[in-house]
Amino acid sequence: DGGITQSPKYLFRKEGQNVTLSCEQNLNHDAMYWYRQDPGQGLRLIYYSQIVNDFQKGDIAEGYSVSREKKESFPLTVTSAQKNPTAFYLCASRGRGDEKLFFGSGTQLSVL
Amino acid sequence: AQSVTQPDIHITVSEGASLELRCNYSYGATPYLFWYVQSPGQGLQLLLKYFSGDTLVQGIKGFEAEFKRSQSSFNLRKPSVHWSDAAVYYCAVIRGTDSWGKLQFGAGTQVVVTP
Repeated sequence: DGGITQSPKYLFRKEGQNVTLSCEQNLNHDAMYWYRQDPGQGLRLIYYSQIVNDFQKGDIAEGYSVSREKKESFPLTVTSAQKNPTAFYLCASRGRGDEKLFFGSGTQLSVL
Repeated sequence: AQSVTQPDIHITVSEGASLELRCNYSYGATPYLFWYVQSPGQGLQLLLKYFSGDTLVQGIKGFEAEFKRSQSSFNLRKPSVHWSDAAVYYCAVIRGTDSWGKLQFGAGTQVVVTP
């Protein structure tokens, strides 16, 4: 079955450490997105990519980096510059001409 | 700037009772509107969407929503709630086709269903 796979489900980061969240989709979607979710807040867009080898900053890109070397993969790195990384991270994708976003099941990142 | 407001942070409803979740948006033109649902520890699933045409839209799982331009609202309803409807519901808006995926989400409404 087609879908979006995020891994790991839970991730812990030490101070000063970079961590990478994985997002893979086999839906053949062109566009992929990363959202951050904090309790009591809606989702906020971190980065998005509409095509391979291209990506744009969202509303809260500081302290994060991404790459889009393959159509099916859009990993997110939370760098040490992100001082408050504890949150639930959601990856999503969208097919060309389709308004619907498909979401992964998320990664909970916590700081040790 | 566009914004989405969900006035109710938390709603408790009895199983079998009706449910209405409020959503107000602020934007000059008619935006594209969505309702998503999130079960605990999961991603979001699209319930329904409104782009144009009939202002009452039907979605999955027995949900419907009504767009009211005069009130800048897009409220979600369900006539009879089931225990499996307990979740967080998000209203979202985008400005147009050039912003696909750049959804502006509301803060969400947590729905608790009691026996």
